[in-house]
Amino acid sequence: DAKTTQPNSMESNEEEPVHLPCNHSTISGTDYIHWYRQLPSQGPEYVIHGLTSNVNNRMASLAIAEDRKSSTLILHRATLRDAAVYYCILRDENTGTASKLTFGTGTRLQVTL
Amino acid sequence: EPEVTQTPSHQVTQMGQEVILRCVPISNHLYFYWYRQILGQKVEFLVSFYNNEISEKSEIFDDQFSVERPDGSNFTLKIRSTKLEDSAMYFCASIAARGQIYGYTFGSGTRLTVV
Repeated sequence: DAKTTQPNSMESNEEEPVHLPCNHSTISGTDYIHWYRQLPSQGPEYVIHGLTSNVNNRMASLAIAEDRKSSTLILHRATLRDAAVYYCILRDENTGTASKLTFGTGTRLQVTL
Repeated sequence: EPEVTQTPSHQVTQMGQEVILRCVPISNHLYFYWYRQILGQKVEFLVSFYNNEISEKSEIFDDQFSVERPDGSNFTLKIRSTKLEDSAMYFCASIAARGQIYGYTFGSGTRLTVV
């Protein structure tokens, strides 16, 4: 699996935007960029995914660099409930079956008042 | 919103005993997974299951582990003879199909404590 690199931790103030970066310089053409998060004592939760174009959903936005070697997850207004570990994961959608997710260590986001 | 349900939420077992962890995936999903997370470590893939057979398994998923979908709704993980190092959170996940737009749905997990 192609590797991703994320900062170990980040801090944000509540109500402010948060930009969580991810580097994936060895990404292949069929790799989708997925983001999941894990709140304390919970299972991972899907956040967003994309291939080439920027994506928006009710949880977040995903900005993908033109060369696809990096991406940024954007939380527009962080709340205390967004404090979690955020994982950037590459997943090859061309495999014959729904391939597994390979989790790294992610970015631990702390949100303060 | 549909959920993946796991039971029990916490199981304590003696070393050497068999345990069965249960999961009810989302009803129209086709692919099923077990992952585990040892305290303070990464989430690790154990096994994937599709069309009533194992699609892929990791090195962790040795002969002590087995999975089953006995009745079309439940998806179980059995550990035949538990070891202390099997203590972890075990997460079940499911997905409708390759490229499913909303990604995987994970359950809240079963905390397994082997004493």
